[in-house]
Amino acid sequence: GAGVSQSPSNKVTEKGKDVELRCDPISGHTALYWYRQSLGQGLEFLIYFQGNSAPDKSGLPSDRFSAERTGGSVSTLTIQRTQQEDSAVYLCASSLRLLSPYEQYFGPGTRLTVT
Amino acid sequence: AQSVTQLDSHVSVSEGTPVLLRCNYSSSYSPSLFWYVQHPNKGLQLLLKYTSAATLVKGINGFEAEFKKSETSFHLTKPSAHMSDAAEYFCVVSVLPWGGGADGLTFGKGTHLIIQP
Repeated sequence: GAGVSQSPSNKVTEKGKDVELRCDPISGHTALYWYRQSLGQGLEFLIYFQGNSAPDKSGLPSDRFSAERTGGSVSTLTIQRTQQEDSAVYLCASSLRLLSPYEQYFGPGTRLTVT
Repeated sequence: AQSVTQLDSHVSVSEGTPVLLRCNYSSSYSPSLFWYVQHPNKGLQLLLKYTSAATLVKGINGFEAEFKKSETSFHLTKPSAHMSDAAEYFCVVSVLPWGGGADGLTFGKGTHLIIQP
């Protein structure tokens, strides 16, 4: 069956430009999560959605980062005025319900390179 | 708040020998624990999960993990390593009740498993 998909798979952008990353969760999954995986840093939790709502945005690294989800489905993570330290793989995951004990299904990620 | 410590950043074993990847956690509440695997250039895949049922959990590809509350551990094992097991492994803890926020889910920093022929 269809899993979590993310687009683009790779994105190279110039410092200062805005980028938008897209996540399509598994159909019927109410919870959606964004993570960032930097080289040698492990996974960093950014934000989660329950339906279209993101109750806590404190995990976003700066105010240049924003995320939204519409129709309880597709989510976009937007990074404004990109910086080189934003270079990372951005992972999206979805689960049937919010977190424990429902496992998360991960997408393949978007590799962002800021030059 | 909770935390996860993967005790080894790299583990190297020979093909056909046992695998042990160590994970310790701390949590104020009853945790759910997961192991995920990430093969090179692939997405994260769930190996197994513990959710307060049996303490010995069997997962895919011959992996299993034992929840030991007294030791706050959830080590991942496999009796015989295969070349295809070479990957990054993440131990993850989440808790109920979850008040939301980044504290709700915590990943370990990962263990890179190397399989020697």
